[in-house]
Parts: sequence; C-alpha cells; structure tokens
Amino acid sequence: GQQLNQSPQSMFIQEGEDVSMNCTSSSIFNTWLWYKQEPGEGPVLLIALYKAGELTSNGRLTAQFGITRKDSFLNISASIPSDVGIYFCAGRGSTGANSKLTFGKGITLSVRP
Amino acid sequence: DGGITQSPKYLFRKEGQNVTLSCEQNLNHDAMYWYRQDPGQGLRLIYYSQIVNDFQKGDIAEGYSVSREKKESFPLTVTSAQKNPTAFYLCASSIGSNNEQFFGPGTRLTVL
Repeated sequence: GQQLNQSPQSMFIQEGEDVSMNCTSSSIFNTWLWYKQEPGEGPVLLIALYKAGELTSNGRLTAQFGITRKDSFLNISASIPSDVGIYFCAGRGSTGANSKLTFGKGITLSVRP
Repeated sequence: DGGITQSPKYLFRKEGQNVTLSCEQNLNHDAMYWYRQDPGQGLRLIYYSQIVNDFQKGDIAEGYSVSREKKESFPLTVTSAQKNPTAFYLCASSIGSNNEQFFGPGTRLTVL
C-alpha cells in the first residue's frame, strides 16, 4: 500500500524559532491533513488541504498541498513551549486502497524555553 | 457539547481475557474508525464502519472484533487471539468516509 514518509523522527528547536516539516507520499493524494497529538491524548486536526498548491493558515501554523500532489508541508512560526507534541500528516487518494486515510509516523517536536 | 468519548482512559487486563473498549460520538457522523498506536509508530487501522450495521477490516484486524448497532457507538473488543494487545487505542469519526476524521482521547490498554 501507499506510504507516507515523515522525517526526521524528532526535532528540537528554541522557543521563538520557526520550524518546517514535510510529508511525502509514494502515491498521488487529493487530501492532506495535519494533526497534532499531545502525550496521552488523541490527535487534534490542525489543517485540512484539498487542492494542489493550496496554502492554508491556522494562527501560527501554515500548511501547503504540494503541486506534485505527493507532498505537503507544515510550518510553525515563532514557536512556543505549548507547540510540543507529535505532528502527524495524513493523506488520501481517490481510488482503491489509496482512498483510505494513511498516516505518517509523526515528528516529535521539542521546544526549548 | 459535541465530541467523541472513549472509556475508560486506562484499562488493565490479564492475558487471555477479552476486553471491550467503548467509543461514543454525538456528532451525527456516519463513519467511525478504530486505530492502534504503538510508540514511534503511525496510526494503524483496525476496523472501520461507514454506516450502521456494516463494518470492514482494516490493516490489522486479526484478534479484534467490532459491532455497529447504533450510529453513535462503535465498541472494539480485543480478544485473547490478539498476540500483542498492549497499546494505545484511538477511535475516530467522520461525517462521511471521505471527510476529515476527528479523534477521541484514546484508551491505553495494558495486558499483564
């Protein structure tokens, strides 16, 4: 089946810094979702993207649907300690097995005060 | 207020026992899902249901069973056939099967 690649597994940044994460797929997707999960909790939907090239913001977060439809990017600006968590991408194509939502393994973000 | 609830938050069972995890939603969503999460892993789909009285196996259904008798409820039973049941279990729902999924708070199951 399709795979989503998120790397690195962990990122460490200083409070106030910007951080970028990307997610790549072996298949073309028509939906990209970004979630954040805090320890011991369920993932929370941050941003949903539905069109190639789409750029959407949610506060200090901005995500983009790559024009190749095989990747997506999440940027966090001016990071704060509460940005700590695991950031998952998820994507879905249009046909067959590709139509089920597939999740990346997540990137654990640590923010140093 | 609307949302997805999972209970209990923590569950301990002895090896060889079946255990049922609860998932309830009052969002009027048609589709519901169960995922398993292990440390350092992504979410792996166990079972999903697009409509009441219908459900399909996900990628790792062996050792699990579900029912969908009501739109609001999608309980997951972890049977004794599941070889490695200790994990964090997440329930999710969506308006339709092609819409964004929203997650519950999760249940951490530990089998002793």
